[in-house]
Amino acid sequence: IAGITQAPTSQILAAGRRMTLRCTQDMRHNAMYWYRQDLGLGLRLIHYSNTAGTTGKGEVPDGYSVSRANTDDFPLTLASAVPSQTSVYFCASSPQGDVADTQYFGPGTRLTVL
Amino acid sequence: TQLLEQSPQFLSIQEGENLTVYCNSSSVFSSLQWYRQEPGEGPVLLVTVVTGGEVKKLKRLTFQFGDARKDSSLHITAAQPGDTGLYLCAGAKDSSYKLIFGSGTRLLVRP
Repeated sequence: IAGITQAPTSQILAAGRRMTLRCTQDMRHNAMYWYRQDLGLGLRLIHYSNTAGTTGKGEVPDGYSVSRANTDDFPLTLASAVPSQTSVYFCASSPQGDVADTQYFGPGTRLTVL
Repeated sequence: TQLLEQSPQFLSIQEGENLTVYCNSSSVFSSLQWYRQEPGEGPVLLVTVVTGGEVKKLKRLTFQFGDARKDSSLHITAAQPGDTGLYLCAGAKDSSYKLIFGSGTRLLVRP
């Protein structure tokens, strides 16, 4: 059982370029999340999805978009990357999205925008 | 402004010592979780506490949720090098789907 997979593992990107970070889960979880992790700031929620077909904004959504066409996949797109989007990005899922649910995290994507 | 403040930010101790990590807020949370993250990996859930005053034990780790549900602590007894990692607390408010994470405490246990 893979759990959550993320791709790519790392990426160096020129500013202004478009980039999609991929996230796939095989646990049939309803809820999925995208976080960014920056030194000294912990994990901050970018976007989330309670169930396939719905998405919502988190704490830091500007410059990012998501889609949830099916249960398993939750891609995160940077339409025009900027250096401040340099970060480690984590995808996570939880069974129902309840506040007490366990969130299962992927291994992360390290993104550098030059 | 960090809604959840963790202290200390960094802790380096010798194997066998005890330690306590704190997670504080001025806000009330309906539940609070503790995660541990190792380098190059995503966070892994250790425990969830939902009741004010609740204490949970996981082997040498003891977690406590404050009576007013605004703070929490993690106490490790007889720390081992395998305890090394980044410890994150995360709180949830009411029926929100969103977790709010603290900035983390980085623990190094020296052999």
